[in-house]
Amino acid sequence: DTAVSQTPKYLVTQMGNDKSIKCEQNLGHDTMYWYKQDSKKFLKIMFSYNNKELIINETVPNRFSPKSPDKAHLNLHINSLELGDSAVYFCASSQDLGTGRSGNTIYFGEGSWLTVV
Amino acid sequence: GQQLNQSPQSMFIQEGEDVSMNCTSSSIFNTWLWYKQDPGEGPVLLIALYKAGELTSNGRLTAQFGITRKDSFLNISASIPSDVGIYFCAGRRGGSNYKLTFGKGTLLTVNP
Repeated sequence: DTAVSQTPKYLVTQMGNDKSIKCEQNLGHDTMYWYKQDSKKFLKIMFSYNNKELIINETVPNRFSPKSPDKAHLNLHINSLELGDSAVYFCASSQDLGTGRSGNTIYFGEGSWLTVV
Repeated sequence: GQQLNQSPQSMFIQEGEDVSMNCTSSSIFNTWLWYKQDPGEGPVLLIALYKAGELTSNGRLTAQFGITRKDSFLNISASIPSDVGIYFCAGRRGGSNYKLTFGKGTLLTVNP
């Protein structure tokens, strides 16, 4: 069973389109994240949600709108896609915000490869 | 913003050799994590360190939490071809700062 699953794995779309990436975790974790990995493989946090509440918004353009319908899901919607949005987007989860040891372990999904043409 | 300096950026080694990589920070962390990312996959946690001076092993992997709390290293002994991948360090500061900051990764290539 996949602990953190995200769909789609690959997405090719034209500039200006709107797209969504879905994420689900079956670990019973309270905290979920979206990370972006650029072409140089640098991993940077975008958003963090704890129990459906936004905790971290790392100065991401407002074209990116995360939505957490429940604590097991954190979807990412992107409006008006730009060429620079091409990257791999990773969903992740942890037990909590990291106050305890278990919360410091972050589990990643397999990534969604977004290509904007 | 918070930055971690991870080195080396890449390594090319022969199978059987030992490998060492490290991360340093200008700030104190209370948690250090080491992840491995295989091609086409997400990062997978290898070792977690929670206490200054802590030395932890996971098979052929050994990682240490630096005494100053500003650095950590990862050693891989007797490398094998499946060790190929990108290794990331990540650190988390204490208190209300929940963010996990990642290093830029070390790309490891193992020649059989």
